[in-house]
Amino acid sequence: GDSVTQMEGPVTLSEEAFLTINCTYTATGYPSLFWYVQYPGEGLQLLLKATKADDKGSNKGFEATYRKETTSFHLEKGSVQVSDSAVYFCALNTGNQFYFGTGTSLTVIP
Amino acid sequence: EAGVTQFPSHSVIEKGQTVTLRCDPISGHDNLYWYRRVMGKEIKFLLHFVKESKQDESGMPNNRFLAERTGGTYSTLKVQPAELEDSGVYFCASSQGQGKGWEQFFGPGTRLTVL
Repeated sequence: GDSVTQMEGPVTLSEEAFLTINCTYTATGYPSLFWYVQYPGEGLQLLLKATKADDKGSNKGFEATYRKETTSFHLEKGSVQVSDSAVYFCALNTGNQFYFGTGTSLTVIP
Repeated sequence: EAGVTQFPSHSVIEKGQTVTLRCDPISGHDNLYWYRRVMGKEIKFLLHFVKESKQDESGMPNNRFLAERTGGTYSTLKVQPAELEDSGVYFCASSQGQGKGWEQFFGPGTRLTVL
């Protein structure tokens, strides 16, 4: 069945460090891929998405490229800030239902 | 524009009791979804409404869970009787359209603790 596997956390980085959170997926058909972020005390917010192979989603300095050959959608940011501390969820959608990864907790320290 | 709201934000109940969670979607969104995240695990789909009709309830764990969306506006999710394994965060989401490209907008979740 459809599923998402993402990097286990928690991840702790210093401010301005480079961030990568790995995400791979298994899906029948051609899914859309998403990264959602949950800041403390808030709901999940869409961070970025890509709807077809080789598409790059980007937002707030974060990027992820839809790689069909490696079934991956890794999240990257060149220089993290304290305000990026949150839980990040990779997800796919092949129709009406989202499949999420387990979430990766990121803490950025000054 | 108001986002998806959920009530209550936290609920602590004893095993065997009943709890009802409420979700108010974004106005005009016909599609409403319920998800659950059990501690440390992935967020899992429970069910999907289109207006007042259940489009897909394949993720509902068992018949102790009952979801309704009378009138096609807000939705409730009742757990009766609650068991320990029902503890987790219950998220509601809504979207304008169906299909793989549509963003789902999530509420803040209801944290349910069953003692």
